[in-house]
Amino acid sequence: ETGVTQTPRHLVMGMTNKKSLKCEQHLGHNAMYWYKQSAKKPLELMFVYNFKEQTENNSVPSRFSPECPNSSHLFLHLHTLQPEDSALYLCASSQDRRQVERGYTFGSGTRLTVV
Amino acid sequence: AQTVTQSQPEMSVQEAETVTLSCTYDTSESDYYLFWYKQPPSRQMILVIRQEAYKQQNATENRFSVNFQKAAKSFSLKISDSQLGDAAMYFCAYRRGGGGNKLVFGAGTILRVKS
Repeated sequence: ETGVTQTPRHLVMGMTNKKSLKCEQHLGHNAMYWYKQSAKKPLELMFVYNFKEQTENNSVPSRFSPECPNSSHLFLHLHTLQPEDSALYLCASSQDRRQVERGYTFGSGTRLTVV
Repeated sequence: AQTVTQSQPEMSVQEAETVTLSCTYDTSESDYYLFWYKQPPSRQMILVIRQEAYKQQNATENRFSVNFQKAAKSFSLKISDSQLGDAAMYFCAYRRGGGGNKLVFGAGTILRVKS
């Protein structure tokens, strides 16, 4: 356990479903991130939150909707997904977006399959 | 935009031997950080080693060391005395300095360790 917990670990959903991914950290970090990891492709940064404020959205389709109610929790709400959205979704946190040189702490990811 | 390239999709090494994983990057910045992350089958991304671009000395962490060639924009990872537990996906990552928080990842290299 590294301090960043993601649930669920696996998720299978239909294209018309609505589901949410959850990420939680109690490391005292104030920056949190969502990454998408697809096979044989670099990790893609999706969203960045710093002190609960979204500071980056990397042209992510609106069917992905992030929410950061506080510095410890980050959600990714999913609706009307496509099969190509199937991937491993990784959450990460860091002390401060200016201190990323210390590295991120990652969760174990949610393996999402869209059918 | 910065890019990170890992040209080796897969590598194999015999236990106790040495292996080098390659990484090149493209940037116009002079201030940046480079990282190697390890992702075992548990999916947990773990920071292995980092290098500050302004430091000429290559970073080392126990059996892990890097060969940082700034002019060539090359950042290879050497694993000495390979162990079965080193088997994982390895990602090279870049982050610019001066407050930028985004980590840009390569596509990864799968490392297999043979006993």
